[in-house]
Amino acid sequence: DTEVTQTPKHLVMGMTNKKSLKCEQHMGHRAMYWYKQKAKKPPELMFVYSYEKLSINESVPSRFSPECPNSSLLNLHLHALQPEDSALYLCASSQREGVYEQYFGPGTRLTVT
Amino acid sequence: GESVGLHLPTLSVQEGDNSIINCAYSNSASDYFIWYKQESGKGPQFIIDIRSNMDKRQGQRVTVLLNKTVKHLSLQIAATQPGDSAVYFCAENPPDQAGTALIFGKGTTLSVSS
Repeated sequence: DTEVTQTPKHLVMGMTNKKSLKCEQHMGHRAMYWYKQKAKKPPELMFVYSYEKLSINESVPSRFSPECPNSSLLNLHLHALQPEDSALYLCASSQREGVYEQYFGPGTRLTVT
Repeated sequence: GESVGLHLPTLSVQEGDNSIINCAYSNSASDYFIWYKQESGKGPQFIIDIRSNMDKRQGQRVTVLLNKTVKHLSLQIAATQPGDSAVYFCAENPPDQAGTALIFGKGTTLSVSS
C-alpha cells in the first residue's frame, strides 16, 4: 500500500468556521508533511512531523494548527481563515525525516468564503 | 525531440517525440533531487530521483540528468504519450532544511498532442 489518503476532497468554509483536514498513511512512514499549493504554483511546505513530533513550522499563521495523533494520522485544524487561504492542501509522507522520497495524497481543495 | 534551455512554463510536443524538461536549482549544496508529475486535480506523483553523487539515472521511459557545475537538472521522457500531459516539478533538498524539506521549482506544463 503506497497510498496517502486525504479527506475531505473539497471543503468550503466561512471565515468564522472551524474545520479540520485529515490525512492517513499505512506505509509505516514516520515523517508526515503539510503543503499548501495555490493555482499554477508549486507546493509550499507548511509543517513537518517526525515521529509524531512537530519538527518544522515554516512560519505558518496560528489559524492553521497541525496535529499528529499517531504515526498514521495527520490533521490540520483550521480556524478564522481568510479568503487568501483558499488553496489545495497536500499531505505527504516519507520513511523518515531526511533525504527520502515523499509520497503525496490527492489533496483537499479548500475554499474560504 | 523538443527541449527547453532555461525554464519555460509550457512545453508542447507531438505524441512519440522525446521531451526534455529543464530545471535550474538554487542551492549548490543540495544533495537530493526529485521530479514529480502532477495531473489536474491530483497530488504530485513521484517520477524519479537522483542523489548528488550521480550524474544520470534512468527509469522506465524517463532519464534524469544532473549537472552540478551549473546547478541544472533535466528530465527526459522518451516516446512521449498523451498520458504524460501534466505539470512537472523538480524539487531539491537543501541541507540547511535539516535534510527534510523539499523546495519545489516553478513547474513546466507538458502538453502532448496526438
